[in-house]
Amino acid sequence: EIVLTQSPATLSLSPGERATLSCRASQSVSSYLAWYQQKPGQAPRLLIYDTSNRATGIPARFTGSGSGTDFTLTISSLEPEDFAVYYCHQRGSWPLTFGGGTKVEIK
Amino acid sequence: EVQLLESGGGLVQPGGSLRLSCAASGFTFNNYGMTWVRQAPGKGLEWVSTITNSASTTYYTDSVKGRFTVSRDNSRNTLYLQMNSLRAEDTAIYYCAKLLAGYPNLWGQGTLVTVSS
Repeated sequence: EIVLTQSPATLSLSPGERATLSCRASQSVSSYLAWYQQKPGQAPRLLIYDTSNRATGIPARFTGSGSGTDFTLTISSLEPEDFAVYYCHQRGSWPLTFGGGTKVEIK
Repeated sequence: EVQLLESGGGLVQPGGSLRLSCAASGFTFNNYGMTWVRQAPGKGLEWVSTITNSASTTYYTDSVKGRFTVSRDNSRNTLYLQMNSLRAEDTAIYYCAKLLAGYPNLWGQGTLVTVSS
């Protein structure tokens, strides 16, 4: 099973700041990595798939990068609605797995 | 409107069974693979199972193999998860989701399964 380790666990930032979230895989997932945003009481929302492709309707301030085992989600300038929990997810091999999440909170 | 609506959750005793349903609308159901993802209270996301669009292939996480069965009825635009021999650690919100490029894209609102005596 591929383990996805997200860091940091919590990121405390102010609106307008840049957020950099990391996801490291225990073995290569090629480019088969996605990022999700989840707000309290809501289902997750797909932001990025296949490392760097934005899903429909996702603002350009969300950017994904990386390959193999190291991946990054960057939010260029945090908007108030971006404060949430973010999960990475790999479909490179079965069983599929999710990372433990990074909470982006208001500083 | 494109949407997924789960049902069938509830309180069940350890060792019991439940069948979850996920009704799809607004898209051509039989064109898409579907998946179940769960989230224990206050915890992260866990992939549970995936079924291909034709139901020819299914996949499960190890902890539910032999206990859970995913299926679909493309004539009814409905996805199912039959859960047997339920354990306390199966307590979670269960989400169904439509796959896009192999990733859960469209999600339902979730249904809560509580396994407790």
